[in-house]
Amino acid sequence: GIQVEQSPPDLILQEGANSTLRCNFSDSVNNLQWFHQNPWGQLINLFYIPSGTKQNGRLSATTVATERYSLLYISSSQTTDSGVYFCAVFISSGSRLTFGEGTQLTVNP
Amino acid sequence: DAMVIQNPRYQVTQFGKPVTLSCSQTLNHNVMYWYQQKSSQAPKLLFHYYDKDFNNEADTPDNFQSRRPNTSFCFLDIRSPGLGDAAMYLCATSRGVGLAQDTQYFGPGTRLLVL
Repeated sequence: GIQVEQSPPDLILQEGANSTLRCNFSDSVNNLQWFHQNPWGQLINLFYIPSGTKQNGRLSATTVATERYSLLYISSSQTTDSGVYFCAVFISSGSRLTFGEGTQLTVNP
Repeated sequence: DAMVIQNPRYQVTQFGKPVTLSCSQTLNHNVMYWYQQKSSQAPKLLFHYYDKDFNNEADTPDNFQSRRPNTSFCFLDIRSPGLGDAAMYLCATSRGVGLAQDTQYFGPGTRLLVL
């Protein structure tokens, strides 16, 4: 099956710093989503981005489908950005969303 | 606001005692999913309903069952919970325009503890 690898696995930042999270995938995808799982466990949609670039406030994402990777940028990080960031993909021959193992982000005040 | 609701947020059950988790949605989405997430792991799909059609994942234990009596509600039944079933259970929905193009929206989850 498709492999989804996220890096780094853990990231610790000071408030105000910028960061880049990466998601590599091993096959062509029809669907790529970025989620933030907050400390209470809820998965929150950040982006639906099978290709191209999108921005939402301090967050932006870019997917280069031909090179099989996606990047999530967080600028001017805040303590509320802490949690786990998941990348999830859906391949054309598959029937389910496949999640990466996540990046655990901690933003310290 | 349109949303995915899960009740209860925390559930404690005894080893072997059947338990039911519930999910409701006001998004009028065709597809509803149940995921299991254990500590420090990614969510794992158990099954999903596309309208009334039930789709079970090959590796989902028989101990886990699901019911969808109508568009808005979906239930997860664990017939004989074991200690290994303690986890966060996440419900999600999507429009169903084509699963590969769908955006999935998640509820807040139910954290299950088995004593």
